[in-house]
Amino acid sequence: AQRVTQPEKLLSVFKGAPVELKCNYSYSGSPELFWYVQYSRQRLQLLLRHISRESIKGFTADLNKGETSFHLKKPFAQEEDSAMYYCALPQTGANNLFFGTGTRLTVIP
Amino acid sequence: DAGVTQSPTHLIKTRGQQVTLRCSPKSGHDTVSWYQQALGQGPQFIFQYYEEEERQRGNFPDRFSGHQFPNYSSELNVNALLLGDSALYLCASSPQGVTDTQYFGPGTRLTVL
Repeated sequence: AQRVTQPEKLLSVFKGAPVELKCNYSYSGSPELFWYVQYSRQRLQLLLRHISRESIKGFTADLNKGETSFHLKKPFAQEEDSAMYYCALPQTGANNLFFGTGTRLTVIP
Repeated sequence: DAGVTQSPTHLIKTRGQQVTLRCSPKSGHDTVSWYQQALGQGPQFIFQYYEEEERQRGNFPDRFSGHQFPNYSSELNVNALLLGDSALYLCASSPQGVTDTQYFGPGTRLTVL
């Protein structure tokens, strides 16, 4: 069965420090993985997807099939990065999304 | 384009009542998905509508039903409300078959007393 695990509910880092939000998954076949972000009082929005291999707002995420992970990383955290982050993948055989439980990132000034 | 819009913003109901939530998709999108987000949890897929039909459904009871109109807008209906139905209900729209461009609405906060 597919599963998305985000082991940290809360993560606090100081401004300028590196940040890594963990995501592990189980999925049959080749997964397509996403990171969604929800800033305070804003709607859920796509941050990045592994297939595009792009960096958004300084964040990157590499799909590691051996470790079944898709960790989100940023070398220098900014205060505006404080938000709720969700890892997601498509439901098997469907085009809706299966979300993890999320990690709340707080960047301390 | 206002993007995905949802109404109402907040709603308070009592157990056993029925509720209808509404969603208008982003311009150009014909597929609408509904998600339930309980406190402290990620969004959980309820169902998806395309061409006015329910195309996919998550693990939710029949008390949860929906509808899509010819203009692609959608409604989510929940009957016989339970306390556990209290959650943020999110609507997402996308072009058919394109998962990674799901655009989410601001949600409707439902409280069941």
